[in-house]
Amino acid sequence: DTAVSQTPKYLVTQMGNDKSIKCEQNLGHDTMYWYKQDSKKFLKIMFSYNNKELIINETVPNRFSPKSPDKAHLNLHINSLELGDSAVYFCASSVNRDSGNTIYFGEGSWLTVV
Amino acid sequence: AQSVTQLDSQVPVFEEAPVELRCNYSSSVSVYLFWYVQYPNQGLQLLLKYLSGSTLVKGINGFEAEFNKSQTSFHLRKPSVHISDTAEYFCAVSDNTGGFKTIFGAGTRLFVKA
Repeated sequence: DTAVSQTPKYLVTQMGNDKSIKCEQNLGHDTMYWYKQDSKKFLKIMFSYNNKELIINETVPNRFSPKSPDKAHLNLHINSLELGDSAVYFCASSVNRDSGNTIYFGEGSWLTVV
Repeated sequence: AQSVTQLDSQVPVFEEAPVELRCNYSSSVSVYLFWYVQYPNQGLQLLLKYLSGSTLVKGINGFEAEFNKSQTSFHLRKPSVHISDTAEYFCAVSDNTGGFKTIFGAGTRLFVKA
């Protein structure tokens, strides 16, 4: 009964490959996110979708493409992986703004590019 | 634009001692404030949040935080820490004007020693 689940948890791949991370939330939230956490633990928002509509698109290389087939799913596809893409990627979802936009995070996907 | 500054990158403390993790924010509008905790190899989970009302907010695991509007601070405290409190703690701010963007601080590593 995991609230926000993402797969895979660990991913090791070579430079130049294309990979995807999938995310699903069963909380009934309207908003979903992708965050990137670097080796220094700094957490930065990448994308946000509200009811399948892209509402936040930070300065992220266009090799990163999110896709939201429905409001319970937000997948992240990465083309032509580079060494600098190595990080932990967190999927998240949030309650409506009247509750302060509390964010619920998945367990993270550890991506290592070699 | 909003920003969050966590004043200490690491806080070592002995078990059963009190601890304070400092957080300052800046924003031109009213905000919601949050503290999240990240245990090793896990996602972030909500400790507590301030939306409005009483400036002293109590959260899980015996933590509390006080919102100080004049000093634009939201420091996190616990009167007696346990080894199990060792984790990364993130302060976060989101505005209450309808936006979806939550900004996270750089994190404070709390290390509890026996």
